[in-house]
Amino acid sequence: GAVVSQHPSRVICKSGTSVKIECRSLDFQATTMFWYRQFPKQSLMLMATSNEGSKATYEQGVEKDKFLINHASLTLSTLTVTSAHPEDSSFYICSASWGTPIFQETQYFGPGTRLLVL
Amino acid sequence: GIQVEQSPPDLILQEGANSTLRCNFSDSVNNLQWFHQNPWGQLINLFYIPSGTKQNGRLSATTVATERYSLLYISSSQTTDSGVYFCAVAPDLSGAGSYQLTFGKGTKLSVIP
Repeated sequence: GAVVSQHPSRVICKSGTSVKIECRSLDFQATTMFWYRQFPKQSLMLMATSNEGSKATYEQGVEKDKFLINHASLTLSTLTVTSAHPEDSSFYICSASWGTPIFQETQYFGPGTRLLVL
Repeated sequence: GIQVEQSPPDLILQEGANSTLRCNFSDSVNNLQWFHQNPWGQLINLFYIPSGTKQNGRLSATTVATERYSLLYISSSQTTDSGVYFCAVAPDLSGAGSYQLTFGKGTKLSVIP
């Protein structure tokens, strides 16, 4: 149980285009989904937290107009990188969890999406 | 924010050896998880362990919350154990959301035959 999928697994795009990444919880309803970014040989950095039906909360330094997050249902969240540039190239990972707004336990992670912007 | 330090940063083991990975954190936590990131980038949940001891096969973990550290033990290591091990914590913020994980920098484990 507790499987999270991401699509696509990798994407190459031209500078200036927008890219949408989907994150789905396959066998549970995720009250909260998280989006992380990981640079090569570095740790994961939380970008934003989204609760179903409400606006995402972005971490300091993350441009909300650049990284659009939509959490339309309890099983789907999307991250859109708008007007992508080479510096947006990275490994994007989502995770999902369930619980109350105050406390949630285990986060389950998707397999990640490698984005390369040329 | 909360600080998470993992040690050692790199570890090379001969197959069959045992190892201990450490995670120190700067504040009280109510969520602590250990993950293994495989060479393809997938994060695999190992333990949810904000306190106490758990075991799963060759892996076990202990968190001493009062002293703000957690240990991950790997016994009889195998080449498939290679990868990066991350510790992630969420601070114990009474009455507020306490689910946002802060990751350590990880321990890169290489198990050689």
